[in-house]
Amino acid sequence: DQQVKQNSPSLSVQEGRISILNCDYTNSMFDYFLWYKKYPAEGPTFLISISSIKDKNEDGRFTVFLNKSAKHLSLHIVPSQPGDSAVYFCAAAPPPARQLTFGSGTQLTVLP
Amino acid sequence: SQTIHQWPATLVQPVGSPLSLECTVEGTSNPNLYWYRQAAGRGLQLLFYSVGIGQISSEVPQNLSASRPQDRQFILSSKKLLLSDSGFYLCALHRNLYEQYFGPGTRLTVT
Repeated sequence: DQQVKQNSPSLSVQEGRISILNCDYTNSMFDYFLWYKKYPAEGPTFLISISSIKDKNEDGRFTVFLNKSAKHLSLHIVPSQPGDSAVYFCAAAPPPARQLTFGSGTQLTVLP
Repeated sequence: SQTIHQWPATLVQPVGSPLSLECTVEGTSNPNLYWYRQAAGRGLQLLFYSVGIGQISSEVPQNLSASRPQDRQFILSSKKLLLSDSGFYLCALHRNLYEQYFGPGTRLTVT
């Protein structure tokens, strides 16, 4: 049973446009959500996170939105750059555990 | 700052052979450590986590095992590899709040 789902395995976007990556979860106990970025043959790197007490968190070109009623979060990248091309994983955690449950990832390709 | 070393970076092993992957961390003490696997086209699957020396919790029953002989050393092992064990193995440590910091990974190909 996948508790965190990323239903789009891939996404292509033109450079300069907005990239929107989506993530759905089923476990209502999750209260903290993270996005990681992964290049081939490297470990994932932390990008941005959001607590369930917020519905938006922004860091430069990256914004994460959380819709608790829909159990849905999204990552917006504006403007998209070719260097953003990578696999993006969303992850979720319930309190007080420190274990993360990851989605299957979305391959973002930003076309120049 | 915290650093994770994983050894080896790549490995090709025949089916039925043993496995030992090593993870060592620097810049922190008594960290929570994790082993993940990313199979081809799949997400990150948590395999084991450890909250201290000799303390291992398994998330997925399989032919892999883990050990933590020292505070900053985490080892993933198998007595007999299966083809399905191929993948990218990642060691991670708990950093702050819920964030985990990942090492560079080991690419394992079982032939």
